[in-house]
Amino acid sequence: QQQVKQSPQSLIVQKGGISIINCAYENTAFDYFPWYQQFPGKGPALLIAIRPDVSEKKEGRFTISFNKSAKQFSLHIMDSQPGDSATYFCAATPIQGAQKLVFGQGTRLTINP
Amino acid sequence: NAGVTQTPKFRVLKTGQSMTLLCAQDMNHEYMYWYRQDPGMGLRLIHYSVGEGTTAKGEVPDGYNVSRLKKQNFLLGLESAAPSQTSVYFCASIRASYAGEQYFGPGTRLTVT
Repeated sequence: QQQVKQSPQSLIVQKGGISIINCAYENTAFDYFPWYQQFPGKGPALLIAIRPDVSEKKEGRFTISFNKSAKQFSLHIMDSQPGDSATYFCAATPIQGAQKLVFGQGTRLTINP
Repeated sequence: NAGVTQTPKFRVLKTGQSMTLLCAQDMNHEYMYWYRQDPGMGLRLIHYSVGEGTTAKGEVPDGYNVSRLKKQNFLLGLESAAPSQTSVYFCASIRASYAGEQYFGPGTRLTVT
């Protein structure tokens, strides 16, 4: 069963704009929330990750916002660039479970020049 | 380091045929995973292994078998392929007991006709 729900399914943003992708989880026994970026024909690669004891993490133009009480987290891409066009997956790792990742459905992001 | 490699990159099977997908990693990682990626479904875990000689079922294990005879290799087998197994398959690995980055291979695109 899907325990991480991601939206929107696709997103088009103009160059320089802010891209926002949202995820919600159901299982409170998650302790690690990574975002993966996938370019066409490639495997996913870790972009940025957060633990539930912090509300925000920023790396360059990429920021994760985390709301533990609402069981939601989101990825913000500031000053979006055409090179950011990719599919983005949020994920969650159970506290116990061989470091298995539970993925959201994915968001195909297109940045128009 | 080659990281995680997958063989083959593409394959077309007829219904009922069998095949084995090979995943190899040179990072001395303990844990290895097989996922399938389908549009709108994200990545779903098929089987995983927490060490040489061990395997366990993931979210969607039916129709697949796996073996981990060597630490660096994780094989995914389809005994009798079905059109529902048309997908892109990804292998990933991670160091044991570390909720960090899962390293993904480049994927195998499988079509079952």
